[in-house]
Order: sequence, then C-alpha cells, then structure tokens
Amino acid sequence: DAKTTQPTSMDCAEGRAANLPCNHSTISGNEYVYWYRQIHSQGPQYIIHGLKNNETNEMASLIITEDRKSSTLILPHATLRDTAVYYCIVRVAGSNTGNQFYFGTGTSLTVIP
Amino acid sequence: DGGITQSPKYLFRKEGQNVTLSCEQNLNHDAMYWYRQDPGQGLRLIYYSQIVNDFQKGDIAEGYSVSREKKESFPLTVTSAQKNPTAFYLCASSFGVNYGYTFGSGTRLTVV
Repeated sequence: DAKTTQPTSMDCAEGRAANLPCNHSTISGNEYVYWYRQIHSQGPQYIIHGLKNNETNEMASLIITEDRKSSTLILPHATLRDTAVYYCIVRVAGSNTGNQFYFGTGTSLTVIP
Repeated sequence: DGGITQSPKYLFRKEGQNVTLSCEQNLNHDAMYWYRQDPGQGLRLIYYSQIVNDFQKGDIAEGYSVSREKKESFPLTVTSAQKNPTAFYLCASSFGVNYGYTFGSGTRLTVV
C-alpha cells in the first residue's frame, strides 16, 4: 500500500488560497489520490479525488504532479469554516482487504481571521 | 435525503458491559465500514463488510463484533474484551471499489 506524508499543521489567512501538500512517492499506477477533511468531532467529509489529471470541483482543486509522486490540494479562498484536519489518502485498489482507505494523522489547517 | 446515521451520538458504558453502536444508511451502498479514532490520531479500521451476510476484520478487530443482516445496517458491538474502548467511532459506507466513502457523524463512547 502506498503511504502518504503530510505536514502536521499549517496556517492560512482568511480569504487567501490554502495549499496543502502531500507526498506519495510509492503510489502505483492504478491508485487514486483522495482528499478528505474532518472538522472537530464530526465524520470525515469527501473533498476530491484524482488519478493523473488535475481535478476541480466546487470545494477545491487537486494538482497531481506528472510523476504522481506528490499532489497539492488547493482551497482557493479559505474561510474560517475550512479549519479542519485534511487527510490525503491513496486508495488500495484490487487488494484482498477490500476497498479500504487508510487515514493517517493528516494536516491540521487553521484559517486565521 | 440520503445519508448515513449513527446513534447514539454519546454513549456511556460501565466496565465489563457490552454495548452496541448503530449505523444505518439509505444510500443503497453495498460496502460499510467501522473506524475508531483516538484523540489526535488518525482513523483505524475495525471491521468492514462488502456485501450482506459477509464481513471482514480490519486492523484492530479484537474486542469488537459486527453483523450485516441487512444492506442498510451494520451495527458494531464493543465487548468487555476490548481493553480500552473509550474512543470516537465512525461508520462509513460506499458503493464499493472505485467509490469514496460517506461517513456518519460518529458516536463518542466513554467507559466509566
């Protein structure tokens, strides 16, 4: 299973773009990169996922490097409600352990007024 | 609205007692999962089920049991054999392979 490395914590000024990096240097060709976030004492919330191409939705953009060894989640205009722990996950595909997501400790993002 | 519901939100248990956490989904998802989260830590997989009447152990299944008699329901029992049950428990569901998870809002279990 590919592992991910994220910074423990980050700060971002309200209204500015938040760029959250993730390293996944051992990712294999059929594994997707997923991002979730967890606001304190709630269940994680899906944000976005991608395989090779950059992706954008109403919440965020996902930039994946050409070699797929790292990615960046971009929240274009961070608000106080974006303060949360952000998890970068590489999904295990096709293994006999099922469609599991391995959640590490993530990046704690604090949006500062 | 479709979603996944966990109940109760807070649960207190005396040592030595079994307790069952409820998880219900109306998303027509085939797969369901139970995770445990301790303060300041990531999620750890307890059990998962890909179809009705089938389930598999995750990384920390000892002291827990599950059943999957209906597609919509995946209850988790925390038994007295679980030595450190105080934690935040999260249930999730998905259509299966190649789909992301939808999480419930969690149950916070405290042993008193």
